[in-house]
Amino acid sequence: GEDVEQSLFLSVREGDSSVINCTYTDSSSTYLYWYKQEPGAGLQLLTYIFSNMDMKQDQRLTVLLNKKDKHLSLRIADTQTGDSAIYFCAERFSGGYQKVTFGTGTKLQVIP
Amino acid sequence: SAVISQKPSRDICQRGTSLTIQCQVDSQVTMMFWYRQQPGQSLTLIATANQGSEATYESGFVIDKFPISRPNLTFSTLTVSNMSPEDSSIYLCSVEGTANAGEQFFGPGTRLTVL
Repeated sequence: GEDVEQSLFLSVREGDSSVINCTYTDSSSTYLYWYKQEPGAGLQLLTYIFSNMDMKQDQRLTVLLNKKDKHLSLRIADTQTGDSAIYFCAERFSGGYQKVTFGTGTKLQVIP
Repeated sequence: SAVISQKPSRDICQRGTSLTIQCQVDSQVTMMFWYRQQPGQSLTLIATANQGSEATYESGFVIDKFPISRPNLTFSTLTVSNMSPEDSSIYLCSVEGTANAGEQFFGPGTRLTVL
């Protein structure tokens, strides 16, 4: 089945690290994504990871993938007020038209 | 990264009318995807459009309601037909990146309000 779950809300203080978690159900995923959506804006591709990797780091962002538990996380180091947004986890399936299925989104609130 | 533009960026429409949304990509792509994001919700795939063939629709979406055209490798349209207030959403076009495997980019979206 295609099901991607995220917690709805996360609040952190400016300068702290944020960790946004995601669980998915389909073990045949090829790629897993993190997107950022600011109010009234489109979707920005933040980072993505191939399913045979377990970690990817890109500046302040660290993605961890636990395939056994079907768990994906996004860590944002030194969180800034500009990081306040909704973060969507998504997975791409290997079959058919390789569609991308999105999680419910986590609203990150950064407190100054 | 692929640069995707959509027209219109937003519109307010009357019930029963239709709106055609355009998506233009700056590079040739095999597949183009249309998503819907209802207010406060996540994204749901409507259909996948290949050039030269009929679009493939996801469960719950039908061609009569959401006809799609894909005349070439850089352009697609999505029509929202016989609109009702429940169609009020953001409609987003998406493509796979051409430079790096796995990349998936989205257009800025079309914000539709149906009165």
